[in-house]
Amino acid sequence: NAGVTQTPKFRVLKTGQSMTLLCAQDMNHEYMYWYRQDPGMGLRLIHYSVGEGTTAKGEVPDGYNVSRLKKQNFLLGLESAAPSQTSVYFCASTVQGSSREQYFGPGTRLTVT
Amino acid sequence: AQKVTQAQTEISVVEKEDVTLDCVYETRDTTYYLFWYKQPPSGELVFLIRRNSFDEQNEISGRYSWNFQKSTSSFNFTITASQVVDSAVYFCALSEPTLMIYNQGGKLIFGQGTELSVKP
Repeated sequence: NAGVTQTPKFRVLKTGQSMTLLCAQDMNHEYMYWYRQDPGMGLRLIHYSVGEGTTAKGEVPDGYNVSRLKKQNFLLGLESAAPSQTSVYFCASTVQGSSREQYFGPGTRLTVT
Repeated sequence: AQKVTQAQTEISVVEKEDVTLDCVYETRDTTYYLFWYKQPPSGELVFLIRRNSFDEQNEISGRYSWNFQKSTSSFNFTITASQVVDSAVYFCALSEPTLMIYNQGGKLIFGQGTELSVKP
């Protein structure tokens, strides 16, 4: 039982390049989330999904797209990376409902130069 | 608007001191959930506690205790006899079930975090 895993762990991109971050969970959770963490700002929600085939915008969705084709996977895409997207990205999942804790992946450190 | 404020950006204590991390929240709902997470230097986020708005009992788990006061919209976290291993960033977070009713997915709203440094 690996919990929530994220690929890759580190990545350096040049401005304008694209990439996809992969999140996978093996807990059969319905809800999945992508957050970004920046110094002094806590974690902010980018996009989330309440089930396979569904996605919704969070607090800071601009510049990102997501897909949830399979229940266990949640992909975060950057179509044209910008330096402002330099951050640590966390994926999380939980059983249905807001009353339960979210389980977080180890994070992906992304630097855009 | 929903908001979580952790006014203490950094706290530094000496081992064995007690330390309290403050968390103040704002919400329009009468039903909501509060959480604390720990982020050690290794970077992962570790769940510590969940509290619903109808349960104002204080909770104690070993050296950790939490004081929830709806009257002041606060959910403070105290570490007794701190240890070096407690050094981490601690986040308080809020989740509102009304968002779930509209199938909006139980989003967490995080505070800015408090960096605790426990020195030997």
